[in-house]
Amino acid sequence: NAGVMQNPRHLVRRRGQEARLRCSPMKGHSHVYWYRQLPEEGLKFMVYLQKENIIDESGMPKERFSAEFPKEGPSILRIQQVVRGDSAAYFCASSPAGGRDNEQFFGPGTRLTVL
Amino acid sequence: EDQVTQSPEALRLQEGESSSLNCSYTVSGLRGLFWYRQDPGKGPEFLFTLYSAGEEKEKERLKATLTKKESFLHITAPKPEDSATYLCAVQISGGSNYKLTFGKGTLLTVNP
Repeated sequence: NAGVMQNPRHLVRRRGQEARLRCSPMKGHSHVYWYRQLPEEGLKFMVYLQKENIIDESGMPKERFSAEFPKEGPSILRIQQVVRGDSAAYFCASSPAGGRDNEQFFGPGTRLTVL
Repeated sequence: EDQVTQSPEALRLQEGESSSLNCSYTVSGLRGLFWYRQDPGKGPEFLFTLYSAGEEKEKERLKATLTKKESFLHITAPKPEDSATYLCAVQISGGSNYKLTFGKGTLLTVNP
């Protein structure tokens, strides 16, 4: 049973370019979460999605950042017009639907470097 | 505001030297407390979930305990392969109960 998959693992962008990060949840999981880990900081919640729905995007910057989880295909975190402060590790996690024991399982992350 | 504080920031042990990591939390209502292990360049790996004060869970050399204010991760007779950053996270009860709030982690190094 494959775990959470993320690609690319490393992404380098120049200031002003767009970054697209992809996440495929574990088989059978329909809930996806994105977290960001800045250097010397803890993981911070960004957004929670279910298929075709954004449930909570309260942790995501209001400008330049967007996320989607279409009916078919991976979840996408999109960062437009990247700036140096966007350099971080972005982790995706998934969980099965509902229930008390909804542990979130994390992918290996995408490390974004903005030059 | 919900807060999670882990101590120490870094811990260096000799192989076989048992110790504990601390996670103290301040939340409006605790739904669950989670421990993860993170190796360099990798994503967090789930270890334990604790839901109520007095609960304990074990896995190999690790044991996690929970009180109303803090959790401990006890490491018994550690080995070099236990070296990693250990992360603590909480979920609060209520509307946003899916959101994990993480501490900054404890970097554990176990020397042979």
